Amino acid sequence: DAGVTQSPTHLIKTRGQQVTLRCSPISGHKSVSWYQQVLGQGPQFIFQYYEKEERGRGNFPDRFSARQFPNYSSELNVNALLLGDSALYLCASIHLRGPMNTEAFFGQGTRLTVV
Amino acid sequence: KNQVEQSPQSLIILEGKNCTLQCNYTVSPFSNLRWYKQDTGRGPVSLTIMTFSENTKSNGRYTATLDADTKQSSLHITASQLSDSASYICVVSEGSWGKLQFGAGTQVVVTP
Repeated sequence: DAGVTQSPTHLIKTRGQQVTLRCSPISGHKSVSWYQQVLGQGPQFIFQYYEKEERGRGNFPDRFSARQFPNYSSELNVNALLLGDSALYLCASIHLRGPMNTEAFFGQGTRLTVV
Repeated sequence: KNQVEQSPQSLIILEGKNCTLQCNYTVSPFSNLRWYKQDTGRGPVSLTIMTFSENTKSNGRYTATLDADTKQSSLHITASQLSDSASYICVVSEGSWGKLQFGAGTQVVVTP
């Protein structure tokens, strides 16, 4: 959706390398979530951050880490890349309107290919 | 076990025909349910969003229904067009923080 910016759009890495993916949420949104989507499957939850604090973590190894900055942008880091890390990585900008009232908008994703 | 199940996994329909996609969920506590359209290699784009109290919502040729009692939702596409070919993903928002639970998606192919 418009307003959520992810970079880079594509990149190729070799096994064992490290990668950093970036996401800028919609202005005013204080929460960001990261998802991994392997070709042909639905997105899998990796992390959620709100106000720079981790609010949720999916079932991913410690090679995956993330952080959120004071301007609410976020980075996802993956160390020691494996071939199986090849996927589309999606960032969601989440607007917490109130208890049980949220809205999510997605960036276009970063296509990571590990060779 | 996935908390959001979609069916069918894929379907092929003729241009101009209608189709209905299904979504069953077990997510709790439930915040809202969304249907997204995702073109290959692109980010999902929201079609509809429904809260607990809403039964139906339309967006052009897309109509979503929600039965919160049975935890079922459907997305009906009317008069399909070639541009409707995409993956349609049911997403349920869990709890106060909006953690999103995704279905695996239904791959729709519209043929001339």
